[in-house]
Amino acid sequence: VQLVESGGGLVQPGKSLKLSCSASGFTFSSYGMHWIRQAPGKGLDWVAYISSSSGTVYADAVKGRFTISRDNAKNTLYLQLNSLKSEDTAIYYCARSGYGSYFDYWGQGVMVTVSS
Amino acid sequence: QITLTQQAESLWVSPGEKVSITCRASQSLLYTDGKHYLSWYQQRPGQTTKALIYHASIRTDGVPTRFIGSGSGTEFTLSIEDVQPEDIALYYCLQTLKKPYTFGAGTKLELK
Repeated sequence: VQLVESGGGLVQPGKSLKLSCSASGFTFSSYGMHWIRQAPGKGLDWVAYISSSSGTVYADAVKGRFTISRDNAKNTLYLQLNSLKSEDTAIYYCARSGYGSYFDYWGQGVMVTVSS
Repeated sequence: QITLTQQAESLWVSPGEKVSITCRASQSLLYTDGKHYLSWYQQRPGQTTKALIYHASIRTDGVPTRFIGSGSGTEFTLSIEDVQPEDIALYYCLQTLKKPYTFGAGTKLELK
């Protein structure tokens, strides 16, 4: 199992960014997927979840601004980040939802910096 | 939302010792299926975050037997017996009983 995030970078407040998570080594369409973030020097915060049937759930802090989606044909998970704020600055990780309702595999993370 | 409290920000340990990391939930993590929806994760610099324990006490594949998860209801413990140098890391608990899923603040294991 391998998860590789991309798409991070420096973005101004109020702007948008789209993160990708390329999955390999398993049947991507059969698993729910999560995004988790970690602000510099801080702990882990769950951001969003998408089920194998594309049902979605969001943390309150990002609801209405972020959109999680998936393309099973491309084995890729996405996170669209809109109306970005400085407090969204963090490393963003994708993780697979394992049987047993835990996050069984994680990517290495991608940095998003929101600053003018 | 469910709050997870890891009271110890840091714990100091010598190789070979046993250490316990605690995680307290603001409500029971026991579901009607009889399982606790509490898992433990290890973060080491330069490595991907690793799942160690799920359902409070089940080790994930390949995790050494010195990692032991225990507890029930609202009180959970990750014990590491015979600590090895490679166990020096950050450890987080996570509840997946109710959304929003929430993590503890983390406990940093450091060498004496």
